[in-house]
Amino acid sequence: EDQVTQSPEALRLQEGESSSLNCSYTVSGLRGLFWYRQDPGKGPEFLFTLYSAGEEKEKERLKATLTKKESFLHITAPKPEDSATYLCAVKYGGATNKLIFGTGTLLAVQP
Amino acid sequence: GAGVSQSPSNKVTEKGKDVELRCDPISGHTALYWYRQRLGQGLEFLIYFQGNSAPDKSGLPSDRFSAERTGESVSTLTIQRTQQEDSAVYLCASSLGSVGNTIYFGEGSWLTVV
Repeated sequence: EDQVTQSPEALRLQEGESSSLNCSYTVSGLRGLFWYRQDPGKGPEFLFTLYSAGEEKEKERLKATLTKKESFLHITAPKPEDSATYLCAVKYGGATNKLIFGTGTLLAVQP
Repeated sequence: GAGVSQSPSNKVTEKGKDVELRCDPISGHTALYWYRQRLGQGLEFLIYFQGNSAPDKSGLPSDRFSAERTGESVSTLTIQRTQQEDSAVYLCASSLGSVGNTIYFGEGSWLTVV
């Protein structure tokens, strides 16, 4: 079954404590892996798109990487304002143009 | 417009009533999507429009749910005879339409069925 799984479900970090979030996928014909950030009561905000294994993208304290089976979102020296839910989603060959989402990782960064 | 616009932002309705939720996509975006997000859960795909046609309606949960899009712009999601389990945030998104293009989301319409 085509699936997107994120781990951990929740992560609590101290300010400045670097860590990584994981998104593993079991789909055929990946056409893009997307990372979004979602704040409470808001819609998802686009962060990155990755298309092929080995690709990396960076934005401020965030860096996303992609392999053939999973993606990591690395957070370097996080700040409290990085607290949010981080969502991973994929587009793949059997699923028209829609995104299939994982259930997200709730990140809390304490000062 | 600058972003995806949804209305109403909040709606409280009585069980059994019909509701309409509206989405204005980013200007020029031919693809439009509706998702549902229940409290504390992930995003569930409902329906995808390319232009005015809907090649993928596979996520609509029942025949009480329908959606239309006119003029390759505004879309309306209609829920008939609402039930309490329909309470959720309904998120609309749009993209340029080609495979791999980024999908941008609105802020959502919060629906509460009492």
